This record gives sequence, structure tokens and C-alpha cells, in this order.
Amino acid sequence: KQEVTQIPAALSVPEGENLVLNCSFTDSAIYNLQWFRQDPGKGLTSLLLIQSSQREQTSGRLNASLDKSSGRSTLYIAASQPGDSATYLCAGNYGGATNKLIFGTGTLLAVQP
Amino acid sequence: DAGVTQSPTHLIKTRGQHVTLRCSPISGHKSVSWYQQVLGQGPQFIFQYYEKEERGRGNFPDRFSARQFPNYSSELNVNALLLGDSALYLCASSSGLRNRVLGGEQFFGPGTRLTVL
Repeated sequence: KQEVTQIPAALSVPEGENLVLNCSFTDSAIYNLQWFRQDPGKGLTSLLLIQSSQREQTSGRLNASLDKSSGRSTLYIAASQPGDSATYLCAGNYGGATNKLIFGTGTLLAVQP
Repeated sequence: DAGVTQSPTHLIKTRGQHVTLRCSPISGHKSVSWYQQVLGQGPQFIFQYYEKEERGRGNFPDRFSARQFPNYSSELNVNALLLGDSALYLCASSSGLRNRVLGGEQFFGPGTRLTVL
């Protein structure tokens, strides 16, 4: 069964700290992995997409890595800001006939000013 | 450019009623997917449509149905509403080019918050 897990469920850090969010997936035959941000009661904002042939992707202060062999992805946020406070979700796409995303339950991040 | 749009934003229904949710994908995108997100959980896949054909269905009862129109917009219908159907319903669009892998980047709309009383 394809499952995605995110640890920790919640994280609180002081402003300016660098942090890492973790995502694990059970099936290494992943096609791509996508990281999203979700503000309370809102939709999902795509942050980064990593194809299975890539090891990492960067966008501004964000860097996401993908290690298929270990079934892990990490989202690194540099110099965190209070505006980064949100829930971060990772989702695996196994391709095939559909592009169904399998989501983790998310990490709720609070950046304290 | 407009992103994915969904309507309505909020909806309150009573048990047993029927509801229709609407989604317009990003211009040029031909694939639309629907997800259900209950509080505290990650979104769960309901349906995917590409070029007006159903390409995938998640583990949801037959009370859930959907369709895609020639302009690639989509509707999600839920019959005989239950309290457990209360959730945020999200629509995602992607280019879904048929002769390439469908696993392109997906973009989500703001969602429709459905409350069933």
C-alpha cells in the first residue's frame, strides 16, 4: 500500500532559524513528489515539484530533496519568518493511468517572532 | 493569469440533500482532479478527469460522481449527504498531456467548504 508520512506533526521555531520538514513514502516507485503549503481554511499552494530523476529542487529560501532508495524527502526552509507559519504537506505521485496524489497528514509550522 | 477557481466558497446543507461543486482549471489545462480534506488530515483523492473521461476514482461511495465539460471545467456531485461528508473539497488542475506522463505539477483551487448539518 502506498502511504506518505510526515513527522513531526507540529513544529515551533524562533524567527530566523533554519529548519527541516520530513516526508517518508513506502513505495520507491514514485514518479514525482510535490510539496505544498496550506494556510488555515485555504487551498494548497504548490511550493516545489521534484521528479523521480532529480535529487533536489530550490526556490528562494526553500530547498526540497528526494531520496527514492530510502523513501524520504525533506523540505529545508532557510532563515524562517513568521509569514512561513502554515501547514506543509508533501504528496507522492506514482504516475500510471492517473496522477493521483497521495498526501501525508502535514506538519503544522509556527515561526515565533 | 487566473488560477484554479472553485464555487461556491462555502455551502451548508442538511443530511440527505444533494450538492454540486464546480471547478474551472487553469487555462490550457485538460486534467481536473477532486480531493476531499477533512479537518486535520491530508487531502484524499476522489476523481480525476482528463479530456472529459474519468481516469481514476478513489475509495468513495457511489454517492459521489463527477463530470468534465468540453471547456474542461468540472462538477462534483454528492447525493444523500451524510454528516461525514463535511469537509473542504479541493480541485486540482494539471496539463495532463496525453502522450506524456500525467504526473505533472498540480495546482489547487481555494476549495469549497461543505458543512452538513
